Amino acid sequence: EVQVMESGGDLVKPGGSLRLSCAASGFTFKSAWMTWVRQAPGKGLEWVGLIKNGGTTDLAAPVKDRFSISRDDSKNTVYLQMNSLKTEDTAVYYCAWLFYYYMDVWGKGTTVTVSS
Amino acid sequence: EIVLTQSPGTLSLSPGERATLSCRASQSITSTYLAWYQQKPGQAPRLLIYSASSRAAGIPDRFSGSGSGTDFTLTISRLEPEDFAVYYCQRYGSSPSLTFGGGTKVEIK
Repeated sequence: EVQVMESGGDLVKPGGSLRLSCAASGFTFKSAWMTWVRQAPGKGLEWVGLIKNGGTTDLAAPVKDRFSISRDDSKNTVYLQMNSLKTEDTAVYYCAWLFYYYMDVWGKGTTVTVSS
Repeated sequence: EIVLTQSPGTLSLSPGERATLSCRASQSITSTYLAWYQQKPGQAPRLLIYSASSRAAGIPDRFSGSGSGTDFTLTISRLEPEDFAVYYCQRYGSSPSLTFGGGTKVEIK
């Protein structure tokens, strides 16, 4: 079965750091482009960033200087490292397989709460 | 930066009615790069339509997509109870790589 599963969400204080993980299975991970999308409470979907096969990344402007994405193809896992967290980063974070130009497989999401 | 504007924000319809959702881009985009998703409360989004008009695997044929250039449409021919949800359009491109519209909520009238 093709699936991705996020983990690592937590309650963190403003200014803190957190690393999310996304484990993939059922498809050729090393060839896949993976993306992170978030959704603040009661709001719409917001693209966070992507990582291509080979490791090139692209991040959205609001997180570009604070977040980074990496991958470990030996573990079929992609990571989202979040530093200098702000209250506005509070959201459900989804990992998805970016198949060509659209997200075909999504995880169930992991919740990040940034609060003092 | 290309912005996707979805309208209406909320669509109030009854089961069996036709739903027409709009996604307008601030600049012309390639149809290949336009997708639609459905999201129900507490669930992850689900891909409905890709390349503007191709249904994803397992999507009923009451869902259809159309459009080109700056104007794209998602049509649900006859609403079923399970179709009441929020719908998002999404564009792949550059600067930024991915963009979502603000969403249209289809609610029961």
